[in-house]
Amino acid sequence: QSALTQPPSASASLGQSVTISCTGTVSNVGAYNYVSWYQQRPGKGPKLMIYDVNKRPSGVPDRFSGSKSGNTASLTVSGLQAEDEGDYYCNSYAGGNNWVFGGGTKLTVL
Amino acid sequence: QLQLQESGPGLLKPSQTLSLTCSVSGGSITNTNYYWGWIRQPPGRGLEWIGGINYSGTTYYNPSLKSEVTISMDASKRQFSLRMTSVTAADTAVYYCARHSYYYDNSGDYYYFDYWGQGTLVTVSS
Repeated sequence: QSALTQPPSASASLGQSVTISCTGTVSNVGAYNYVSWYQQRPGKGPKLMIYDVNKRPSGVPDRFSGSKSGNTASLTVSGLQAEDEGDYYCNSYAGGNNWVFGGGTKLTVL
Repeated sequence: QLQLQESGPGLLKPSQTLSLTCSVSGGSITNTNYYWGWIRQPPGRGLEWIGGINYSGTTYYNPSLKSEVTISMDASKRQFSLRMTSVTAADTAVYYCARHSYYYDNSGDYYYFDYWGQGTLVTVSS
């Protein structure tokens, strides 16, 4: 049981948008703006896509965006492309130098 | 380009000690703005943060794993290591090492895992 709750799967058609949620508590997502998102392709290590809720690292397409409302953070991918398929994980600071991950969401591009 | 590479035994028996090493190349391991951490992923499941260490030797651990885990660093070799005692089948996972950006400045906050290794599978089985 992961500390952060994500839907197991999400899907949308090529070119459409999809939003993946990450629900925590007042002790993690709700308390801090240190939410990050990672994309993982089969057999590979995770790749940072979003940090500090809504900031994109250099090199990540602006099709990826993040937001937060209360205890829930969200990752939105607009203009879906085939290469966006993969597993997506959220991560949040939980206080006391403790970090928690979500269970992951498998994104399928139809 | 910073690169991280995990190494260590892939098969352990229950009650044995897991020892993994992460070798860092292409960049410095001494900048105290970064922690060097371990994350694991049981087969078919999500990621679990284990802990990390910075160049000053400060460590932090997942409270649920703290009693079994020790993370250490040998900066002269640009390596950091994970030691987990008394493993069980539940510790079977792909283990990743990663750089954990851990600082803020006038420009903003920088808290994220930005470089990851490829991962190494550790299986615990009798």
